[in-house]
Amino acid sequence: DVLMTQTPVSLPVSLGGQVSISCRSSQSLVHSDGNTYLHWYLQKPGQSPQLLIYRVSNRFSGVPDRFSGSGSGTDFTLKISRVEPEDLGVYYCLQSTHFPYTFGAGTKLELK
Amino acid sequence: EVQLQESGPGLVKPSQSLSLTCSVTGYSITSNYWGWIRKFPGNKMEWMGYISYSGSTSYNPSLKSRISITRDTSKNQFFLQLNSVTTEDTATYYCARGPVYYYWGQGVMVTVSS
Repeated sequence: DVLMTQTPVSLPVSLGGQVSISCRSSQSLVHSDGNTYLHWYLQKPGQSPQLLIYRVSNRFSGVPDRFSGSGSGTDFTLKISRVEPEDLGVYYCLQSTHFPYTFGAGTKLELK
Repeated sequence: EVQLQESGPGLVKPSQSLSLTCSVTGYSITSNYWGWIRKFPGNKMEWMGYISYSGSTSYNPSLKSRISITRDTSKNQFFLQLNSVTTEDTATYYCARGPVYYYWGQGVMVTVSS
């Protein structure tokens, strides 16, 4: 299975600040079709996960441009700028290039 | 609007089978991929498997032969069956529309306990 190493586990932030979350895979996430199937989700307390970014850098419909994804191969980053209260929760990366699909362990974004 | 709703028992005894239903509205399950994902106590998430628009399935090998995902296209529902459960199967179970999992159900918490 592809191991997704997501760091940090906990990320204290001040409102209005900027943070980055890293996700590294144990093998390249470039699919044979040329796409890279690395996605980012946020699970707010008491809610289901919601898609933020798909295929590395594409913001899902309605996601503010404060969220951006980047990376390639095995190294990926989610950046959140001007953090707002509704951004708090647990962030996950997911790879769906290789079976079985695998998630990162999660990063809890919380207020300092 | 696409909506998914999980249903099923919240308590299952060890060694028995866990059976969940995902009812989908606003979109036909004969398109796209329809998956089951679970979140364990703590933050660990596990992709369990999916059933495709054609009815083909793909499962996480970690679940070996315990898992089965089926569907009823006439009711626009798909199902999860997990056999021989143990306490380690205690989790919140989500159904979601793939392949990128844009849409999720609200989740159902299942406890395995005698």
